[in-house]
Amino acid sequence: EDKVVQSPLSLVVHEGDTVTLNCSYEVTNFRSLLWYKQEKKAPTFLFMLTSSGIEKKSGRLSSILDKKELFSILNITATQTGDSAVYLCAVDENPGNMLTFGGGTRLMVKP
Amino acid sequence: DAGVTQSPTHLIKTRGQQVTLRCSPISGHKSVSWYQQVLGQGPQFIFQYYEKEERGRGNFPDRFSARQFPNYSSELNVNALLLGDSALYLCASSRTGTGLSTDTQYFGPGTRLTVL
Repeated sequence: EDKVVQSPLSLVVHEGDTVTLNCSYEVTNFRSLLWYKQEKKAPTFLFMLTSSGIEKKSGRLSSILDKKELFSILNITATQTGDSAVYLCAVDENPGNMLTFGGGTRLMVKP
Repeated sequence: DAGVTQSPTHLIKTRGQQVTLRCSPISGHKSVSWYQQVLGQGPQFIFQYYEKEERGRGNFPDRFSARQFPNYSSELNVNALLLGDSALYLCASSRTGTGLSTDTQYFGPGTRLTVL
């Protein structure tokens, strides 16, 4: 059975800290790996990764994929209280757009 | 442009009842997917529709059904509700539903269903 596992389950840090969130996967027909941020209801898109070793960056957030070892990491530098959310990792398989999600990492950033 | 919209926001039903949830995709998007998110877990894929055809189905019982209309909006129906159906139901839209790098799924705010 296809599986996506995220760690840690939850994390509490202080503003200014750097955090690393992990996502490992086992799927049959990998197409891409996506990261979403979920604050209250709607998950909001962060990154889509398809190629191994190529870092995607957006401001203080960055992510990289290792297709050989079947994992991805999401880094957040200089964390702010507004980064507090659940971060979801999902894998898309061919033919596409049927995402398998991990259980999420709950991040709390304290002032 | 408006994002993905869903209605209603919240819904309370009793066991055995039937429910219909609605989703309007982003303008220009032709694919709609439905996900169930139980509290404390990640979303779980239910259905994908593209151009009114079912393209994929997750591991859900036949009590769950869906359809897509000519204007690309979609409905999710759940019959014979069980307590375990209580969850946030999320709808996501994309242009073509192919999962290409240019075809990201965008999620709506969800419908919170409580079954008593």
